[in-house]
Amino acid sequence: EAGVAQSPRYKIIEKRQSVAFWCNPISGHATLYWYQQILGQGPKLLIQFQNNGVVDDSQLPKDRFSAERLKGVDSTLKIQPAKLEDSAVYLCASSLGVLASDGADTQYFGPGTRLTVL
Amino acid sequence: AQSVAQPEDQVNVAEGNPLTVKCTYSVSGNPYLFWYVQYPNRGLQFLLKYITGDNLVKGSYGFEAEFNKSQTSFHLKKPSALVSDSALYFCAVRDNNAGNNRKLIWGLGTSLAVNP
Repeated sequence: EAGVAQSPRYKIIEKRQSVAFWCNPISGHATLYWYQQILGQGPKLLIQFQNNGVVDDSQLPKDRFSAERLKGVDSTLKIQPAKLEDSAVYLCASSLGVLASDGADTQYFGPGTRLTVL
Repeated sequence: AQSVAQPEDQVNVAEGNPLTVKCTYSVSGNPYLFWYVQYPNRGLQFLLKYITGDNLVKGSYGFEAEFNKSQTSFHLKKPSALVSDSALYFCAVRDNNAGNNRKLIWGLGTSLAVNP
């Protein structure tokens, strides 16, 4: 079974530029997550989708970050404009998530995109 | 409030010796507990989880973890460490009673170094 795919793996941009990340979840997984992981810290949830609807985006900086999951499969996360503090690894994860409230649902992660903002 | 603590930033162990990576948690209801491992420049890989039932959970790569409700702990263990186990380990908890939007709460991670 193919895992979660993400691209690009690495991205270097100047501050105030825009950037987009792409994620393709495991086939059949209804729930998709975007996390931000700053060096030395645990992952921080940015947004959670159940199919193509948003379940939780409470920690997404909506003035500069946006995400969409059209057709309930692939997803893109965009930052516009980027700031220095956005330098991090952006992780995408997916889970079966038949029920958004299933606490036992296991998340499976992609390799991440390492973003450096200069 | 939900929280997870990994009290050790780094654990060093000799190859062949048993290893333990500690995790304690705080939730108001029943916990779902997870361990993930992260190798350099890689995403997080799922190791094991506790939902209910037997307190000793066995997972991937020979790892196991013991759920201790009275001590609110979920320590990760392996009887004999390998150099290839050197990585960053994350504990995470979800409160089963926290309503419909139950986020995973993550620890800060423990760096495990296995010395040859």
